[in-house]
Amino acid sequence: KAGVTQTPRYLIKTRGQQVTLSCSPISGHRSVSWYQQTPGQGLQFLFEYFSETQRNKGNFPGRFSGRQFSNSRSEMNVSTLELGDSALYLCASSEGLAGINEQFFGPGTRLTVL
Amino acid sequence: AQKVTQAQTEISVVEKEDVTLDCVYETRDTTYYLFWYKQPPSGELVFLIRRNSFDEQNEISGRYSWNFQKSTSSFNFTITASQVVDSAVYFCALRSTGANNLFFGTGTRLTVIP
Repeated sequence: KAGVTQTPRYLIKTRGQQVTLSCSPISGHRSVSWYQQTPGQGLQFLFEYFSETQRNKGNFPGRFSGRQFSNSRSEMNVSTLELGDSALYLCASSEGLAGINEQFFGPGTRLTVL
Repeated sequence: AQKVTQAQTEISVVEKEDVTLDCVYETRDTTYYLFWYKQPPSGELVFLIRRNSFDEQNEISGRYSWNFQKSTSSFNFTITASQVVDSAVYFCALRSTGANNLFFGTGTRLTVIP
């Protein structure tokens, strides 16, 4: 099976812009979780989607949003970008809900906000 | 509250030395899972092991071994005869049944010097 794929791998945006990141889970996996990784805050949970519904959300502002499609692919959107949003965004998929199933991570999208 | 502490920020060893990465966790739940992930420079988190709270048996996989001690809330990871390819950032993570996401430690950067 192919692994978790994320596009694009690298992205450069300017403050105030918005960005959409995409994640394709492993075939058959219905849960997709998103994490933000920064040098200062480490790895932090953003949200999880399962069967097109957001099941769990981390402590991030409303500028961070996401969605999941019927084929389990997921997108996350960040509006009104700030310099502090520069990070590696990791997507992870699992067969069932992430709380009880093993997660497999993608290579990440490195977002740079100038 | 869930918390994972990896006190060692960076470790350098010479190739073929053994190295132990420490992980201390906090949770009020009686059922939980502990994980170790490896993050090479490419950025993708690679799953190494999952251990549930009811299984305190130590595990060995090739040059890797894990020591789980509930009495000290620790889940330490030892690499025997380290190799240059082991150079990476290693993350310990916790998932309690009361939470649907992983709580990560801040990671330990391991550098193996040839």
